Amino acid sequence: EVVLTQSPGTLSLSPGEGATLSCRASQSIYSSNLAWYQQKPGQAPRLLIYAASSRAAGIPDRFSGSGSGTDFTLTISTLEPEDFAVYYCQQFGYSSWTFGQGTKVEI
Amino acid sequence: QVQLQESGPGLVKPSQTLSLTCTVSGGSFSSGHYYWTWIRQHPVKGLEWIGYISYSGSTFYNPSLKSRVTISVDTSTNQFSLKLSSVTAADSAMYYCARGAYDSATYYIDYWGQGTLVTVSS
Repeated sequence: EVVLTQSPGTLSLSPGEGATLSCRASQSIYSSNLAWYQQKPGQAPRLLIYAASSRAAGIPDRFSGSGSGTDFTLTISTLEPEDFAVYYCQQFGYSSWTFGQGTKVEI
Repeated sequence: QVQLQESGPGLVKPSQTLSLTCTVSGGSFSSGHYYWTWIRQHPVKGLEWIGYISYSGSTFYNPSLKSRVTISVDTSTNQFSLKLSSVTAADSAMYYCARGAYDSATYYIDYWGQGTLVTVSS
């Protein structure tokens, strides 16, 4: 099973700042099989990025994804108040689908 | 607009079987591009993929839960269901149904239900 480790656990930032979130896989995965989600309290997760770098429909361009192999990054260029949430990466492997443990972006 | 809605008991006794149903509206339920998925989230914890079923009935389960999980589909009613047997308190969680998609050699989960909270307790 591929284990995804996200860092940092919590990111304390202010609106207007940029955020860089990391997702590291325990073994190399296809970029096409890596997605990022945003979850706010009391809500289901929302798809932000798929295939490591493609934005989902309706996602603002301040969100971008990059990476390959075992290291992937979600970047939020300029934090808006609505961006403070928990972010998860996910991989779609042949033996199992797994999520990272999440990074909380807090004010 | 695709919508998913979970339904089922919010309280299950230890050692019994948890049963949930997800009703899908909008979109094409019987497309080979979709994987009807169950995911759970323990309180204040992260997400755990449980498994999925395709419209044709092919299933894929989390190896850690495989011995206790059954996912089935009813294409006539646009529903799919989860059964988790021999539950314990550790199975108490928010359960989400979701639509996994495979398109242009990429996977993603694009639609989620609102979630249903299941507590295992006597």
